[in-house]
Amino acid sequence: AQSVAQPEDQVNVAEGNPLTVKCTYSVSGNPYLFWYVQYPNRGLQFLLKYITGDNLVKGSYGFEAEFNKSQTSFHLKKPSALVSDSALYFCAVRLLANQAGTALIFGKGTTLSVSS
Amino acid sequence: DVKVTQSSRYLVKRTGEKVFLECVQDMDHENMFWYRQDPGLGLRLIYFSYDVKMKEKGDIPEGYSVSREKKERFSLILESASTNQTSMYLCASTRPSLRGNTEAFFGQGTRLTVV
Repeated sequence: AQSVAQPEDQVNVAEGNPLTVKCTYSVSGNPYLFWYVQYPNRGLQFLLKYITGDNLVKGSYGFEAEFNKSQTSFHLKKPSALVSDSALYFCAVRLLANQAGTALIFGKGTTLSVSS
Repeated sequence: DVKVTQSSRYLVKRTGEKVFLECVQDMDHENMFWYRQDPGLGLRLIYFSYDVKMKEKGDIPEGYSVSREKKERFSLILESASTNQTSMYLCASTRPSLRGNTEAFFGQGTRLTVV
């Protein structure tokens, strides 16, 4: 079965330091991987995706993610964290339900807290 | 920009009531989804639809049904609301893709409380 795991419930980092939010996946076939961010009482916003090609994917708000096939990981990174990056982050993998319909399977989320 | 609109941000209903959660998207997307979000459990897929009048069960369809009469509208129905259905409900839509490489766009969420 296809699944995605986020091993850390919470990540704490000081402003200006690099941040990493971890994600590992289990899929059959080629993985399609996504990162989303959720601010309090809001819906999810798309950050970036990996489909194919370069293993380092750049996305919104200065975030990037590194796809590692051998480690089945897709960690989210940012070189210098901002207090405004504090939010809930979700990793997701595309589930191909049938030829027409697809759905995203989400991890349980990681709360990122950036202190000033 | 794609806009996915959920009709209510906050909703309080009584146990046993029939509850309708409405979702509308304005980008002519074929695929639409309903998730519920609970602390520590992440997002869990309830139902999705890839065409008008078509629906597929997700991971937790029990106690829910859906309706897709028009392409832009996807409704989630709680046939008889129970307290364990108190949750945040999120609607999403995507363009169709056989490769699965399109991102989903989410509504703001409906926080439902069943008392």
